[in-house]
Amino acid sequence: QKEVEQDPGPLSVPEGAIVSLNCTYSNSAFQYFMWYRQYSRKGPELLMYTYSSGNKEDGRFTAQVDKSSKYISLFIRDSQPSDSATYLCAFDYGGSQGNLIFGKGTKLSVKP
Amino acid sequence: NAGVMQNPRHLVRRRGQEARLRCSPMKGHSHVYWYRQLPEEGLKFMVYLQKENIIDESGMPKERFSAEFPKEGPSILRIQQVVRGDSAAYFCASSPSGNSNTEAFFGQGTRLTVV
Repeated sequence: QKEVEQDPGPLSVPEGAIVSLNCTYSNSAFQYFMWYRQYSRKGPELLMYTYSSGNKEDGRFTAQVDKSSKYISLFIRDSQPSDSATYLCAFDYGGSQGNLIFGKGTKLSVKP
Repeated sequence: NAGVMQNPRHLVRRRGQEARLRCSPMKGHSHVYWYRQLPEEGLKFMVYLQKENIIDESGMPKERFSAEFPKEGPSILRIQQVVRGDSAAYFCASSPSGNSNTEAFFGQGTRLTVV
């Protein structure tokens, strides 16, 4: 079983749609659950992170973590063409362990 | 406050040459992480450094790859005798502490092409 699984897409939606992006993971030791956005030919930027199970909302974005199912989601409401990017889930052990474990990313295209 | 600066942005090397990738962390950040992104793959951790120390190099290939973060100057990722399979985007991230990656910021990456 892979440590992180993420559907690579591509995912194409019309402007204004609700987008749901998901990852599953296998390692119970992960402490932080993160979503990055990466525009083409750019570096990843942290969108949101959560520490525990439940929901966290920031504007049009909602991150959801279900530790019992080892499943995380990112929802984008009222999607805009500027949301077109690759979305990467990432997992952090926390503490002094430096590395993040990334999913392969889902490429999202929002059509005007 | 400038972000994480990586240079060059694009680097072309012939097989067998050396590639040197540089990363200047954000001001006040003393922790640096290098990741590699192969085509159609996610980012893979390579190495984690603090000033003058390698903390975790578990993701570094055993041969040809080395990294340093000297007391003065940028962090350097060095690839000796490059091969076509080294073609990838290399990203550096920096953080003020090693406590959590939620404080880390990524640079724009160096895209290495080996011909």
